[in-house]
Amino acid sequence: SQQGEEDPQALSIQEGENATMNCSYKTSINNLQWYRQNSGRGLVHLILIRSNEREKHSGRLRVTLDTSKKSSSLLITASRAADTASYFCATDVNNDMRFGAGTRLTVKP
Amino acid sequence: DAGITQSPRHKVTETGTPVTLRCHQTENHRYMYWYRQDPGHGLRLIHYSYGVKDTDKGEVSDGYSVSRSKTEDFLLTLESATSSQTSVYFCAISPAFDRSGANVLTFGAGSRLTVL
Repeated sequence: SQQGEEDPQALSIQEGENATMNCSYKTSINNLQWYRQNSGRGLVHLILIRSNEREKHSGRLRVTLDTSKKSSSLLITASRAADTASYFCATDVNNDMRFGAGTRLTVKP
Repeated sequence: DAGITQSPRHKVTETGTPVTLRCHQTENHRYMYWYRQDPGHGLRLIHYSYGVKDTDKGEVSDGYSVSRSKTEDFLLTLESATSSQTSVYFCAISPAFDRSGANVLTFGAGSRLTVL
């Protein structure tokens, strides 16, 4: 079964707005990662947060992790049309990498 | 996708025929993975390898086998393809654990398989 579950399944916003996606998982993890997938392409790694970290930033990305709730969120600030893609969380449990079904983000210009 | 190539990129086959997908890497990474991606299911792990001739099953391994005789190649075989195996298949690679234990995947471009 899937380890991570993203919410919402789809999100549509205007350029310049912030986008927030959530991920819930079921078991203890070593770390949690977020990946992006453009249509027809493979996934690309965005950011990793370890189980002992609560927040991490990378450019316009901000990731939080709450291990007590087994949840994570990805915030993209000041979104651009080029951010349109699917975003997946992945949990790493002893090298077994499991992905959720993803959030489809559409940023309208 | 630099360092990792999948072949074929597209294949149409008939039910009952064997199919082999190839993943080739030039990064000398230890770990290699095969995932399938289907609408509503995201990516699901089929098999992975942690070294030459060392493989393990993922969550949807039934109907699939793998082989890794060289570091650079990881083959996924459908012994007798079924329509339920119509999917997009992604290969991914990662280096061995670093000191902090992080394991970041690099993905290939995918292989679209249609089983009629």
